[in-house]
Amino acid sequence: GDSVTQMEGPVTLSEEAFLTINCTYTATGYPSLFWYVQYPGEGLQLLLKATKADDKGSNKGFEATYRKETTSFHLEKGSVQVSDSAVYFCALSDGVGGSYIPTFGRGTSLIVHP
Amino acid sequence: KAGVTQTPRYLIKTRGQQVTLSCSPISGHRSVSWYQQTPGQGLQFLFEYFSETQRNKGNFPGRFSGRQFSNSRSEMNVSTLELGDSALYLCASSLKGSGANVLTFGAGSRLTVL
Repeated sequence: GDSVTQMEGPVTLSEEAFLTINCTYTATGYPSLFWYVQYPGEGLQLLLKATKADDKGSNKGFEATYRKETTSFHLEKGSVQVSDSAVYFCALSDGVGGSYIPTFGRGTSLIVHP
Repeated sequence: KAGVTQTPRYLIKTRGQQVTLSCSPISGHRSVSWYQQTPGQGLQFLFEYFSETQRNKGNFPGRFSGRQFSNSRSEMNVSTLELGDSALYLCASSLKGSGANVLTFGAGSRLTVL
């Protein structure tokens, strides 16, 4: 079955540092890939997505490129802020068997210090 | 426009009781899905409803049930509560629940079972 593997957290960074959160996946079909973010006390919200190989999703300074050859979708940001502190979830949806229910990774907590 | 609204936000129950959680999706969204979020298991899919029909179901016991009304509002019910049911229950809505559709999550209902 489908699966998503994210790096273990928490990731602790100083403000303005470079961020990478690794995500690799296993899928039967040709999935769409997503990053969701969950701020404290809130539900998840979409950060960015990519629907086919070599697509780059971007939003709020975050980027991730759909790499089919390495089955990866790593999240990056050049300069993090304290307000980026949250839990980040990588997810995929491939429609195999007619189901588009996303498969989520376990989440990676990011803590940014001033 | 209004987001996904979940009620109640917090509740405390004792073992053996039952609980009903409510979710009002974004206007026009016909697909509603439910997830259980725990520190140990991460995000686990419970079920998805589309136009009042359960379209997909996760691997949860029959104590977990749900339904969707004609206005797309959804409820989930957990009967004979166990300590392990303590979790954040998230509802998400989307337009069609297919393809690369984005899920919009509510803030969740945090259930504590004593």
